[in-house]
Amino acid sequence: DIQMTQSPASLSASLGETVTIECLASEDVSSNLAWYQQKPGKSPQLLIYDASSLQDGVPSRFSGSESGTQYSLEINSLQSEDAATYFCQQHHDYPYTFGAGTKLELK
Amino acid sequence: QVQLKETGPGLVQPTQTLSITCTVSGFSLTSYYMQWVRQTPGKGLEWMGFIRSGGSTEYNSEFKSRLSISRDTSKNQVFLKMNSLITEDTGVYYCARDGHNNAFDYWGQGVMVTVSS
Repeated sequence: DIQMTQSPASLSASLGETVTIECLASEDVSSNLAWYQQKPGKSPQLLIYDASSLQDGVPSRFSGSESGTQYSLEINSLQSEDAATYFCQQHHDYPYTFGAGTKLELK
Repeated sequence: QVQLKETGPGLVQPTQTLSITCTVSGFSLTSYYMQWVRQTPGKGLEWMGFIRSGGSTEYNSEFKSRLSISRDTSKNQVFLKMNSLITEDTGVYYCARDGHNNAFDYWGQGVMVTVSS
């Protein structure tokens, strides 16, 4: 199985700041990487797919990038509603696997 | 608009079978793959399997021996059945639409399942 190592496990940032969350795949996933946002008691919501494609309706302050097997989610100009847990998921090979999550808190 | 809703038992006894129904609206099951994902305290988010738009299935080998996914397109419903439940199967079970090459663009609200005697 492809392992997705996500970092950091948690972070705290202020309104207006920029944060980056990373996911390292244990092998090539050929840009088949998605990012989800999950708020407490809610289901995950798709933000990014295919490493850098923005899902319809998602604010442009969210962006995805890649470098080899390292994938990054950047959130610019943090808003209060961005407080959530973020997960990566490789959608390249069975079984599809998720990262352990990054909990983002707003100061 | 696209909607998905899971229904199922809140409590299942160990060794018993879990049955969950996902009822969808706003799109056709013959046009999209439908995925099942669960979230447990022990393992986080886990992909369980999917049913293709054509009706064939694919399962995570972690569950393959005890998991079955099926559908009734006339009722816009997808079904998950998993047998031989253990306490570690306690968690929230989600159905999701596969909108982008196995990235999941719409999710149900999830159903909490507790495995306990």
